[in-house]
Amino acid sequence: AQKITQTQPGMFVQEKEAVTLDCTYDTSDQSYGLFWYKQPSSGEMIFLIYQGSYDEQNATEGRYSLNFQKARKSANLVISASQLGDSAMYFCAMREGRGSARQLTFGSGTQLTVLP
Amino acid sequence: DAMVIQNPRYQVTQFGKPVTLSCSQTLNHNVMYWYQQKSSQAPKLLFHYYDKDFNNEADTPDNFQSRRPNTSFCFLDIRSPGLGDAAMYLCATSRVGDSYYEQYFGPGTRLTVT
Repeated sequence: AQKITQTQPGMFVQEKEAVTLDCTYDTSDQSYGLFWYKQPSSGEMIFLIYQGSYDEQNATEGRYSLNFQKARKSANLVISASQLGDSAMYFCAMREGRGSARQLTFGSGTQLTVLP
Repeated sequence: DAMVIQNPRYQVTQFGKPVTLSCSQTLNHNVMYWYQQKSSQAPKLLFHYYDKDFNNEADTPDNFQSRRPNTSFCFLDIRSPGLGDAAMYLCATSRVGDSYYEQYFGPGTRLTVT
């Protein structure tokens, strides 16, 4: 079974508008972390935002916020006031509470295009 | 600035010719990871080092090996590259003990096999 599901292969948004990228996850662990990374065409993975399973408030980092709904196992990324530079692939990832190095499992990604 | 560096950024090799990709970090992180990412796909973990302990993913082909001679450097060796090994290879680091184990990624090496 997929541990991280991103159902939107591609999304378009008008510049200056907000956009939500969906992510659902599957885990039986009580302790886990959820991450969003941005990958421009250059290839580098850029960390955007993190949400821990025990965090009671939704994470925010500048224009990025994470809509965490634990009961529904969803961790959607909201980008406010989209900019042309936001055009990139976005990956949702999960770190489960097992193993000392706690590797990440990535979703299949969403390609976001910001239109002028 | 502290960072994760990968060299080269682009590598072309011939079918069957061994190739080595390198990764270095100035973050003094104890964990280093190698991911393979094929076009339009998610990164796939190949293996990681926790200090000197090597951890191989169950489905990583034997063709892929890794070395970590010290904390700062980690190498990915592909012994006999096939056409299917053409991909972006991403190195990442993290520090066990950090509050949420964020992984810091390098810029990647794009491997072409001819």
